[in-house]
Amino acid sequence: DTGVSQDPRHKITKRGQNVTFRCDPISEHNRLYWYRQTLGQGPEFLTYFQNEAQLEKSRLLSDRFSAERPKGSFSTLEIQRTEQGDSAMYLCASSSRDRGRGYTFGSGTRLTVV
Amino acid sequence: GESVGLHLPTLSVQEGDNSIINCAYSNSASDYFIWYKQESGKGPQFIIDIRSNMDKRQGQRVTVLLNKTVKHLSLQIAATQPGDSAVYFCAEVLGAGKSTFGDGTTLTVKP
Repeated sequence: DTGVSQDPRHKITKRGQNVTFRCDPISEHNRLYWYRQTLGQGPEFLTYFQNEAQLEKSRLLSDRFSAERPKGSFSTLEIQRTEQGDSAMYLCASSSRDRGRGYTFGSGTRLTVV
Repeated sequence: GESVGLHLPTLSVQEGDNSIINCAYSNSASDYFIWYKQESGKGPQFIIDIRSNMDKRQGQRVTVLLNKTVKHLSLQIAATQPGDSAVYFCAEVLGAGKSTFGDGTTLTVKP
């Protein structure tokens, strides 16, 4: 297992376009998380899945954002009608039931909206 | 009285010295606390965790101290090395694993 994979690593898009990011978690991890990180700040929670069920969404996640984990394995995060304020690093993480081990993060997808 | 370490956004230490990184947390109900290390261009990496019913936990070259009275967490790195240069975040975990991250501290190790 090579850890958590995210694709693409970088994305530049024009304002108003839709973008979709993919995350492949560690295979035996049943929990998957999306976070957003802007420069100089800690990651901010967006949403969380346990298997295929989306259990929690942050108030930060506007209607333009949607996440899925259709078969309880990989996940996608879509942003519709992107805005310049969406520019950030989008991090995916996965974890096992043992919360104390923390997350394993991917390297993130850096989104730039121009 | 007991002093509470201030959170500093940056910390510079000499190679071989010990480093202490501080963090204040907000939720008394958090049941785990975790320290992460983030290097440039990478996602945060788990370093060490501590349960809320503990005061201290040691790992390899790292020690985490938890003071619930003042809601303060610290990470001590012994014999700091250049490879320790990174941004360090504390995170509090409540419930099903959602973590709330604090402000990061950028550690620079001078040779």
